[in-house]
Amino acid sequence: EVQLLESGGGLVQPGGSLRLSCAASGFTFSAYAMSWVRQAPGKGLEWVSLISISGTNTYYGDFVKGRFTISRDNSKNTVYLQMNSLRAEDTAVYYCAKDLGDPHPSHDYWGQGTLVTVSS
Amino acid sequence: EVVLTQSPATLSLSPGERATLSCRASQSVRSYFAWYQQKPGQAPRLLIYDASTRATGIPARFSGSGSGTDFTLTISGLEPEDFAVYYCQQRNNWPITFGQGTRLEIK
Repeated sequence: EVQLLESGGGLVQPGGSLRLSCAASGFTFSAYAMSWVRQAPGKGLEWVSLISISGTNTYYGDFVKGRFTISRDNSKNTVYLQMNSLRAEDTAVYYCAKDLGDPHPSHDYWGQGTLVTVSS
Repeated sequence: EVVLTQSPATLSLSPGERATLSCRASQSVRSYFAWYQQKPGQAPRLLIYDASTRATGIPARFSGSGSGTDFTLTISGLEPEDFAVYYCQQRNNWPITFGQGTRLEIK
């Protein structure tokens, strides 16, 4: 059974940093690209970032503007999202998602999400 | 970036009826297009990818069509569990983008 378990969310002040983690199991992690997608409270889905199977290729939403970094550790079956210079508008549930291929960013499995709140 | 516009914003139908949801892209995305369903408090669920391919375990009442800029999700014979929010997504151009969603509600 495919499982994606996010962690690392919480309350952070504007300008602060957080590192999200997503531990994957139930599939060959090193064979799939992985993505992060977020959803602000009461709003729609917004794609954040994607990383290729080797980690060589990374892609970001326009709003990231160099503030976030996605990475992965295939030995630990884990993908990360380092978020710096956080703003109030980054407040959202952040989902980790498995992609159908590499890259094939249609997301067939999702985690339960981790809430990031940016507030003073 | 590619802007996806979904219509209608809200669709009110009764169980058993046929639902037709639309999504229009601001430029061609070929067939690199997907549909997702999201219920309250849950993560999204992939329904359709590559415009018309049903994801694993998705019932046959869900079908997708279209290419280029105009796409349709059809649900033939609505079941009570189908009432949810539906999102479209394109993967032809970076950054990947989602539509704003269509809420399918019980009439």
